[in-house]
Amino acid sequence: QVQLVESGGGVVQPGGSLRLSCAASGFTFSYYGMHWVRQAPGKGLEWVAVISSDGSEEWYGDSVKGRFIISRENSQSTVDLQMNRLTTEDTAVYYCAKGRTSITSCTDSWGQGTLVTVSS
Amino acid sequence: DIQMTQSPSSVSASVGDRVTITCRASQDISSWLAWYQQKPGKAPNLLIFAASHLESGVPSRFSGSGSGTDFTLTITGLQPEDFATYFCQQANSFPHTFGQGTRLEMK
Repeated sequence: QVQLVESGGGVVQPGGSLRLSCAASGFTFSYYGMHWVRQAPGKGLEWVAVISSDGSEEWYGDSVKGRFIISRENSQSTVDLQMNRLTTEDTAVYYCAKGRTSITSCTDSWGQGTLVTVSS
Repeated sequence: DIQMTQSPSSVSASVGDRVTITCRASQDISSWLAWYQQKPGKAPNLLIFAASHLESGVPSRFSGSGSGTDFTLTITGLQPEDFATYFCQQANSFPHTFGQGTRLEMK
């Protein structure tokens, strides 16, 4: 079955950087768009970014555009999220999620999440 | 960006009840709408895609309807495991915005 395992979360100071990674298994990774979604403590879901199956297309949420970069390595079945110029507003659980079909579809499988805390 | 507005923000119900949650988009999204269920400390779980299509493995007491700007999620015959928070999400255009969530609580 589909398994998504995020890693790389932790505590970082404002202005710092962090790189999250998601290891996928149980499906043909190179066929599907992959998303990152985050959830601040006690808050709702915020869509962060998506990358197409071949990595040629990326889209970002307004609050992270220009600071975050999504990338993937199909040979390794991994998708990463490079997060730069972090602020306290970026504190959240970050989920990796598999697109249901194309890059424009919703997501049908999620990882367990990794917590990022931005604090001095 | 497309804004998604859910109502109510919370609802109280009993086992066996029928519950309806609504989601309104700020512009026409055709049928590009999904519904998710989230339990505390867990990742969201896809229930409905393309507004009315039940995801595999999801109980048939869940149903979705609507198109354009107005959508509903209905749970018919609430079960104890259904008490959770529900989110809608539009997939018509990027960013794929979520509604603010509806918390379904036990009466």
